[in-house]
Amino acid sequence: SQWGEENLQALSIQEGEDVTMNCSYKTYTTVVHWYRQDSGRGPALIILIRSNEREKRSGRLRATLDTSSQSSSLSITAAQCEDTAVYFCATDTGYQNFYFGKGTSLTVIP
Amino acid sequence: EAGVTQSPRYAVLQEGQAVSFWCDPISGHDTLYWYQQPRDQGPQLLVYFRDEAVIDNSQLPSDRFSAVRPKGTNSTLKIQSAKQGDTATYLCASSNSGNTLYFGEGSRLIVV
Repeated sequence: SQWGEENLQALSIQEGEDVTMNCSYKTYTTVVHWYRQDSGRGPALIILIRSNEREKRSGRLRATLDTSSQSSSLSITAAQCEDTAVYFCATDTGYQNFYFGKGTSLTVIP
Repeated sequence: EAGVTQSPRYAVLQEGQAVSFWCDPISGHDTLYWYQQPRDQGPQLLVYFRDEAVIDNSQLPSDRFSAVRPKGTNSTLKIQSAKQGDTATYLCASSNSGNTLYFGEGSRLIVV
């Protein structure tokens, strides 16, 4: 398996709080994608970070990548109710075959 | 630009029945992926194509699952003799040479 043994995690926070989600992977990757999936929809890319980058920002999103520990994180600043979704990381070993982690279910409470 | 289109959106089968899922990728995207997503899990890659060629089908349960993309555009995923363990959402995604994946809404399968 490409992944650590994390199951789908559930996080519940208050609106306005910051939140960080983590994923760890077992094998080499050239890039980590972070996707969000709304209920009943397909996943949609929100941010990606390449193996030569340590941090990437996009609006309220911040992704980090530590290739030495084979881990990545996604942080959301000042979470809003519309951030409620399931978040997945996905890796690519270089053959454009993307493998997804089990995900984090985030609920933002107003 | 039209997104990835999948059909049917829902299917309910009895064990032993067959079903086919159809995917129309974004125009011009050369790479097409099929993922299986069981409830409360991440998408699991089944097979992917570049144009009409299968690049990796090692995760496809070959005895009952098959996938084709004959003209390098639309694709069909077929499950023969469905089992309860096949209950999941089947997601199709396309990309332009392996960059961002664009997913369809998915086809939700329930096998009773």
